[in-house]
Amino acid sequence: GAVVSQHPSWVICKSGTSVKIECRSLDFQATTMFWYRQFPKQSLMLMATSNEGSKATYEQGVEKDKFLINHASLTLSTLTVTSAHPEDSSFYICSASAGTSYGETQYFGPGTRLLVL
Amino acid sequence: GQQLNQSPQSMFIQEGEDVSMNCTSSSIFNTWLWYKQDPGEGPVLLIALYKAGELTSNGRLTAQFGITRKDSFLNISASIPSDVGIYFCAGQPPGGTSYGKLTFGQGTILTVHP
Repeated sequence: GAVVSQHPSWVICKSGTSVKIECRSLDFQATTMFWYRQFPKQSLMLMATSNEGSKATYEQGVEKDKFLINHASLTLSTLTVTSAHPEDSSFYICSASAGTSYGETQYFGPGTRLLVL
Repeated sequence: GQQLNQSPQSMFIQEGEDVSMNCTSSSIFNTWLWYKQDPGEGPVLLIALYKAGELTSNGRLTAQFGITRKDSFLNISASIPSDVGIYFCAGQPPGGTSYGKLTFGQGTILTVHP
């Protein structure tokens, strides 16, 4: 249980194009999903919190117009990198929050490798 | 923001040895989570801890939620080559604007020599 998928697993695009990444919770519903960015040999950096049916909450320093987030349903959140540039190349990982009788736990997707040429 | 200090940064051990890593924080957490990340993959949840003092095992892995709520450790017994990877601790703070968000440690890179 608690499986999260991401699509695509990797993408190469030209500078100036937009890229959409999907995050799905496959066997549970998630009112809250999170988007992270990870640079090589570093920890995960939270970009934004995606809430179903409402606007995403962005962390300080993350451009909301650059990284558009849509949480259309209880099982799907999308991250669109608009007008991508080489500095946006990174590993993007989503997570979905699942509640248990003990507390909340985040389950992560497999990640999406983005390379902007 | 909150900081988690995870140590050690890296470990080089022989197969069969036990491993111990820990995380400390200046602030309290309601939940401690331990993840393992393989290269090019997302983190996989190993153990979740929800109560101060809680000690939980998952196979060869054992983790504890510190009684002060500011620390946690993860032990791996009888390591095997497939234990290689990066281990992250993550803490979830009490309610407020940070509710639900995770603060991550810097990671411990584990290398196991056969």
